[in-house]
Amino acid sequence: ETGVTQSPTHLIKTRGQQVTLRCSSQSGHNTVSWYQQALGQGPQFIFQYYREEENGRGNFPPRFSGLQFPNYSSELNVNALELDDSALYLCASSFFRVQNTGELFFGEGSRLTVL
Amino acid sequence: ELKVEQNPLFLSMQEGKNYTIYCNYSTTSDRLYWYRQDPGKSLESLFVLLSNGAVKQEGRLMASLDTKARLSTLHITAAVHDLSATYFCAVDSSGSRLTFGEGTQLTVNP
Repeated sequence: ETGVTQSPTHLIKTRGQQVTLRCSSQSGHNTVSWYQQALGQGPQFIFQYYREEENGRGNFPPRFSGLQFPNYSSELNVNALELDDSALYLCASSFFRVQNTGELFFGEGSRLTVL
Repeated sequence: ELKVEQNPLFLSMQEGKNYTIYCNYSTTSDRLYWYRQDPGKSLESLFVLLSNGAVKQEGRLMASLDTKARLSTLHITAAVHDLSATYFCAVDSSGSRLTFGEGTQLTVNP
């Protein structure tokens, strides 16, 4: 149990729709990262949020966007869904200090299926 | 661009045997993680390796890090069926942004 909770756990959408995934960080953590894991592959970094600002982005198009709220919870939004967006979306929280990057703690994930 | 390569990608072994999974990475980093993932589940943290020469052990698993060689190993001793899972190494390239390997799917047979 990592203290990172994600919702929903499973959802099905159709091509072209939009989806919002939610993440509640572990208490005391100020940084949240999102990863996409396609079937049979390793997770890929989407982006990271620190102090409500995007703090690094992987190789994902702008239709992937996010928010971090003052309570450090976070949302991942994906517009204009494509079939290849079907994946497990993982949220990870950590505590960032200048001197020392903190260990990541992963939630259970949201499994998105796009039909 | 940081690249992380694991081998083997698939490993079938008998109970009681020993084996090593290798993780090579392409750029300098002094923070490496090993995770376990069961089918349909999230990532379970196994080890965090923070410096050159770091060695950590938990049960039948032992992980090590050689930052000069850009190599980490995950050694399995006397495998048991419960260790069957997919194992990922991940390298922290900058500020807790992880680059993962492709994963090693381990099957331990009776």
